[in-house]
Amino acid sequence: NAGVTQTPKFQVLKTGQSMTLQCAQDMNHNSMYWYRQDPGMGLRLIYYSASEGTTDKGEVPNGYNVSRLNKREFSLRLESAAPSQTSVYFCASSGRGQFTDTQYFGPGTRLTVL
Amino acid sequence: EDQVTQSPEALRLQEGESSSLNCSYTVSGLRGLFWYRQDPGKGPEFLFTLYSAGEEKEKERLKATLTKKESFLHITAPKPEDSATYLCAGANAGGTSYGKLTFGQGTILTVHP
Repeated sequence: NAGVTQTPKFQVLKTGQSMTLQCAQDMNHNSMYWYRQDPGMGLRLIYYSASEGTTDKGEVPNGYNVSRLNKREFSLRLESAAPSQTSVYFCASSGRGQFTDTQYFGPGTRLTVL
Repeated sequence: EDQVTQSPEALRLQEGESSSLNCSYTVSGLRGLFWYRQDPGKGPEFLFTLYSAGEEKEKERLKATLTKKESFLHITAPKPEDSATYLCAGANAGGTSYGKLTFGQGTILTVHP
């Protein structure tokens, strides 16, 4: 099992450009999440998908959109990148999406917006 | 508002010198307290989940404990390979089946040989 995979690993964008971060899991988990990690801010939830076909906003959703493509895949889109979106982005998944379930994380995408 | 605070921000130990990391939480109806390890340039790796006060879990040189207000990660006789950032997170009850995880900012542990 690969667990949670993310592509790309690194990306540099210019302000105003768009891109999609891809995430896939092979653990047959129902729920998937997107976080960003910034120095001194900890991990903050951007969006989550409790189950296939549903998505909800997290703590910092502005400037992002998501798509739950199927049970395995959950993508994060930046329509018009801004320097404030420079960060490390992590995708995670959990079994049933309930609060007692452990979230398993991918290796991250390091994004720089110039 | 839920809050998780970790201390110290950084901890330097000599190999074999035992110590503890602290995670204080104010989480509405805490339903789970999670510990993760994160190596530089990698994603968080799950270590433990604690569900109720008094619970303890162990893995190799690590032991996690939980009280009603805080959790401790005890490291016994650490080795250089234990060097990493340790994150804790609290899950609240949530209005639906999904409970939000609130993460602390982490403790950077460095173990010198």
